[in-house]
This record gives sequence, structure tokens and C-alpha cells, in this order.
Amino acid sequence: GQNIDQPTEMTATEGAIVQINCTYQTSGFNGLFWYQQHAGEAPTFLSYNVLDGLEEKGRFSSFLSRSKGYSYLLLKELQMKDSASYLCAVRDGYNTDKLIFGTGTRLQVFP
Amino acid sequence: ETGVTQTPRHLVMGMTNKKSLKCEQHLGHNAMYWYKQSAKKPLELMFVYNFKEQTENNSVPSRFSPECPNSSHLFLHLHTLQPEDSALYLCASSQEVGFNEQFFGPGTRLTVL
Repeated sequence: GQNIDQPTEMTATEGAIVQINCTYQTSGFNGLFWYQQHAGEAPTFLSYNVLDGLEEKGRFSSFLSRSKGYSYLLLKELQMKDSASYLCAVRDGYNTDKLIFGTGTRLQVFP
Repeated sequence: ETGVTQTPRHLVMGMTNKKSLKCEQHLGHNAMYWYKQSAKKPLELMFVYNFKEQTENNSVPSRFSPECPNSSHLFLHLHTLQPEDSALYLCASSQEVGFNEQFFGPGTRLTVL
């Protein structure tokens, strides 16, 4: 079956670093996505990984290991506005836009 | 208007009602999507349209009927829904199917009584 696992909730302190993990088991793989969703708002795209390794974009980085079915999103220099849900999603094949989402990790940043 | 807009933002309907959700994208994209987001469940793809043609139907019950008259507009027609259909319905668009980034609208919060 198709399965995306990520922690339900995490907390961290302003200015700190937090790592949100995602493991996946899907029938196919053609890329892993991270989205940010503030409460009551639309998800917004953060990152895309299709090859193994680390992709850095400002304070956010995303890592992928295809052999381990594993990704993480790293948030540095946390700010209060980073409090949101972080959704991990896998595109499970070629010539498809079917994204399989995890339930999301709700991150709370405290002062 | 910019980005992806959805109307209405909130909808309450009875099980015998017929209603429609509307999505419009102002990004010049060619692919549009309907997703369902229920509490404590993963975001779930419902339908995909690419250049107005439906390319994915993720085993969605027939009480949900999508319509894509052109690349900028997407509708979801609802009839004889069940209370378990209450959820946030999100529309998204991307340049084409297979492009990496999907842009989401703010969603319609649907409650079925």
C-alpha cells in the first residue's frame, strides 16, 4: 500500500533548528515535496527533491534518501511565523500528478 | 485577482441539496486539481485536469462531479452528499501535469448536515 509517515506534532524555540522527518512506502517514486500550511490557509510549496541529497533554500533545507525511503525538512533560525503544519508528499509515478500526502506535522514555535 | 481563488469559502448544505464549488486560477496554468482535506487525515487528491481533459479520478464517488470548461476554471458539483463528506476542499493548479509546484487556493470549508 501507499504510506507516508511523519510526526503529528513538534515544538521548538525561536532561533533554534528543527528537523521534521518523513518516511514513505509507495508503489512508485518520482519526487518528494514539502508544503507549508498555516492554520486556515492554503498549502504553499517549499521544496522538491527527486535525487538523493540536500537542497538548500534560505533557512529551509530538504534532504532525500531514496534507498531508505526517507526525507527531512530542516528549518533554521526558527521564527514565530514558522508555526504551521508541514506536509510531506510523494509523486508516485511518471506522467502523473498524483501526490500522496502524509497527515502533516504541526510545528509550534515558542518565544 | 491573483493566484488561485475559490468560492464560496464556507458552505453548509443538507444531504438533499445540490451545490457547486468554483475555482479560478489567474496564473496561466494548464493543469487543475481538486483535493479533499479532512481533519486528522492526509490531503487526498480527487481529480486532475490537464488542458481541460480529466486525467485522474481517484476513485471518487459519483456524488462529486467535476467540470472544467477551460484551463482557468474548475467546478465541483455536489449532490446527495453525506455528513462524512464534510471537509476542506482545496483547488490547485500547475503549469502542466508533471510540473513540480502546485499552487493552492484557500479552500472551501464544507459542512454537510
